[in-house]
Amino acid sequence: EAAVTQSPRSKVAVTGGKVTLSCHQTNNHDYMYWYRQDTGHGLRLIHYSYVADSTEKGDIPDGYKASRPSQENFSLILELASLSQTAVYFCASSERAETLYFGSGTRLTVL
Amino acid sequence: GQQVQQSPASLVLQEGENAELQCNFSSTATQLQWFYQSPGGSLVSLLSNPSGTKHTGRLTSTTVTKERRSSLHISSSQTTDSGTYLCAIDRSNMGYKLTFGTGTSLLVDP
Repeated sequence: EAAVTQSPRSKVAVTGGKVTLSCHQTNNHDYMYWYRQDTGHGLRLIHYSYVADSTEKGDIPDGYKASRPSQENFSLILELASLSQTAVYFCASSERAETLYFGSGTRLTVL
Repeated sequence: GQQVQQSPASLVLQEGENAELQCNFSSTATQLQWFYQSPGGSLVSLLSNPSGTKHTGRLTSTTVTKERRSSLHISSSQTTDSGTYLCAIDRSNMGYKLTFGTGTSLLVDP
């Protein structure tokens, strides 16, 4: 079974602070993604990557950076966390046009 | 405007009844996927159906690409089917930039 592990499961951050969300996959997939989920908006793509050391902007990249240091690891970085970034964040991996495998999500609260 | 619209927003069934969920999309989609989100929040892919009809277990999806709509039929619903069903289309034409709808929340009562 494909596995995508996110850490932490939940986090409380202060406005203006730096937050790093981590994702690790053991699927040997090339593609990795970061989505955020807010009530009423469904899931929205923040950043994605199709190869190590390269990331691409998704639909809502403002305020977020991404890092893909290896095929297995993909991080989402909030340099200056803001209240509007309170959400649940999901990491996923896939082969190019195949099934997405999601992590269990990180609930981020920015105070 | 919203590119993927799902209806109904919520649905309540008695166990054993069938469910019909709709997904309409406003742009050309080369890929369409249905996902299930559990009440606890975990997400799993149900099936991929860019066109035609596909079956898996008690699920049947029918996508009419030129009419930009897809449906997900759940037969003989069970309480464990309760959760949110999400439809997503790929706008990249390359299979990796999904746009999600806001989902249909399904509650199956015993």
